[in-house]
Amino acid sequence: KNEVEQSPQNLTAQEGEFITINCSYSVGISALHWLQQHPGGGIVSLFMLSSGKKKHGRLIATINIQEKHSSLHITASHPRDSAVYICAVVFSGSARQLTFGSGTQLTVLP
Amino acid sequence: ETGVTQTPRHLVMGMTNKKSLKCEQHLGHNAMYWYKQSAKKPLELMFVYNFKEQTENNSVPSRFSPECPNSSHLFLHLHTLQPEDSALYLCASSQDSPGTGNTIYFGEGSWLTVV
Repeated sequence: KNEVEQSPQNLTAQEGEFITINCSYSVGISALHWLQQHPGGGIVSLFMLSSGKKKHGRLIATINIQEKHSSLHITASHPRDSAVYICAVVFSGSARQLTFGSGTQLTVLP
Repeated sequence: ETGVTQTPRHLVMGMTNKKSLKCEQHLGHNAMYWYKQSAKKPLELMFVYNFKEQTENNSVPSRFSPECPNSSHLFLHLHTLQPEDSALYLCASSQDSPGTGNTIYFGEGSWLTVV
């Protein structure tokens, strides 16, 4: 069965802390997306990865294809980073659509 | 602002009502999607349109009826819904599928409550 698992489900951090959110998946993929969802509901795409590492500002996303695992890191976290972070993958041989994880609720306290 | 606009943002409807959700994108994308997000559950794909043609219907009940009059507009017509249909409905668009290295852009969502 094609599955996407995220951990942790909930994460509370103090402002300035380094944060890691993990995503693992069951079978081979062609792409992995990290998304950010704010309380109002809107979703923003942060990264699309198929290999290696990407960085944008304080956000870093890595993927290990062999281990079927990706991480999203936030350096120098800030209360405005509080949101739900969602991992989504496109499984190889699928209809090329996204399968989503359950999300990680991040709260950064001032 | 992602370039994908959804209206209304909030909708309360009775089980016998008929209403529609609207989505518009000005990004020149050829693929548009409806997703459902229920409380505590992952996003679920409902429908996919590519160049105005429906390419996926993910076993969605017929009380949800999509319409794509052109590549920029997507509707979700709602009739005789059930309370369990209460959820956040998200529209998205991309240039081709997200599996081909393309970023997917989401709207702000329409919060639907069925009473």
